[in-house]
Amino acid sequence: GAGVSQSPRYKVAKRGQDVALRCDPISGHVSLFWYQQALGQGPEFLTYFQNEAQLDKSGLPSDRFFAERPEGSVSTLKIQRTQQEDSAVYLCASSLLGGGWGTQYFGPGTRLLVL
Amino acid sequence: AQTVTQSQPEMSVQEAETVTLSCTYDTSESDYYLFWYKQPPSRQMILVIRQEAYKQQNATENRFSVNFQKAAKSFSLKISDSQLGDAAMYFCAYIRGGGSNYKLTFGKGTLLTVNP
Repeated sequence: GAGVSQSPRYKVAKRGQDVALRCDPISGHVSLFWYQQALGQGPEFLTYFQNEAQLDKSGLPSDRFFAERPEGSVSTLKIQRTQQEDSAVYLCASSLLGGGWGTQYFGPGTRLLVL
Repeated sequence: AQTVTQSQPEMSVQEAETVTLSCTYDTSESDYYLFWYKQPPSRQMILVIRQEAYKQQNATENRFSVNFQKAAKSFSLKISDSQLGDAAMYFCAYIRGGGSNYKLTFGKGTLLTVNP
């Protein structure tokens, strides 16, 4: 069926606001990844879920960033008290099996601009 | 920490010609995977090709092939018979093998332009 979808596609936030970014992975995919892509750079790993378990959150830049995947499907990345340096494209990817070595299917990303 | 270096910020090629994109990586591991991902303008990133480090044979996918030099830690992508649709940002990526490794490390990318 459908690929990975993300919403919203664009988000403008005032500094200090909280934002929530949603990812709908491909149905049945075990693994879900979040990445942050700054302008002109490659994606940087943020966090990884295997089903509902968050197995790696080593890439989250600060405790203002929080991610969840409560039922092992849809995931939300929340950023509290946004700062200008949080401006980036946030990519979500899913993979059929557990682990990071399989093919990752990426969503279109959410472009976040913090003013 | 593992690093991935793409030394060519931009490359251009004439339609139907061949182009090679460079990638080097730094790791002390022997078990790992390497990838090339393509990110077209305003479109989703897609996997182009994947290489397991334990395989000596270079991976190929139609017009795309790699030159994997494990000792030199080099992983270049060759695109043959370039097409206009190949124009995109190309990212080289690395991940350590093993069951509990999830962090895919990307290079900064190479922007490929295909001239008609």
